[in-house]
Amino acid sequence: KAGVTQTPRYLIKTRGQQVTLSCSPISGHRSVSWYQQTPGQGLQFLFEYFSETQRNKGNFPGRFSGRQFSNSRSEMNVSTLELGDSALYLCASSRSPGETQYFGPGTRLLVL
Amino acid sequence: DQQVKQNSPSLSVQEGRISILNCDYTNSMFDYFLWYKKYPAEGPTFLISISSIKDKNEDGRFTVFLNKSAKHLSLHIVPSQPGDSAVYFCAASVGNTGKLIFGQGTTLQVKP
Repeated sequence: KAGVTQTPRYLIKTRGQQVTLSCSPISGHRSVSWYQQTPGQGLQFLFEYFSETQRNKGNFPGRFSGRQFSNSRSEMNVSTLELGDSALYLCASSRSPGETQYFGPGTRLLVL
Repeated sequence: DQQVKQNSPSLSVQEGRISILNCDYTNSMFDYFLWYKKYPAEGPTFLISISSIKDKNEDGRFTVFLNKSAKHLSLHIVPSQPGDSAVYFCAASVGNTGKLIFGQGTTLQVKP
């Protein structure tokens, strides 16, 4: 069974631009969560989606948004990029909320 | 407020010996705990989990112990192998949610 896939793997943007990251969960998994990893803050929860509905949101500004499609694939968007948004963005999927989450390889975003 | 803490940033052990990684938490509502292993620039890999109704769970060389009264969990790796060298994260969640709260990680080095 294929794992969680994330595209693109690497991305370079400049301040003020926006970016969209994509995540395809493991087949049969309907819950998707997003996390940001930075050296200073560690792994922080961004949001959780299940059945196309956002169930939880972490403590991030409104520039961070996401959505989930009917096939459980998910996207997250960051608008008006700031230097501090440079991070590894990780997507994780599980069969349903509360079950074990399996992570994708991440998207490395560099904001210049 | 760091709800999940890994107080040891690093740990070094000899191949064949036991590795013990520790994790403390403050939120008594946490009822599901997980350990992940992570290499740089990759997503975390799930190792083992434990529900709050148990105090021990084993999977091969990995055993997780949970002490609810002390709000403490530990991961034991026996015997340790050089391939175990990585960063280990503990994570916790509350109820039926896909929101994981992570510790800051412990870097394990297993020396041949």
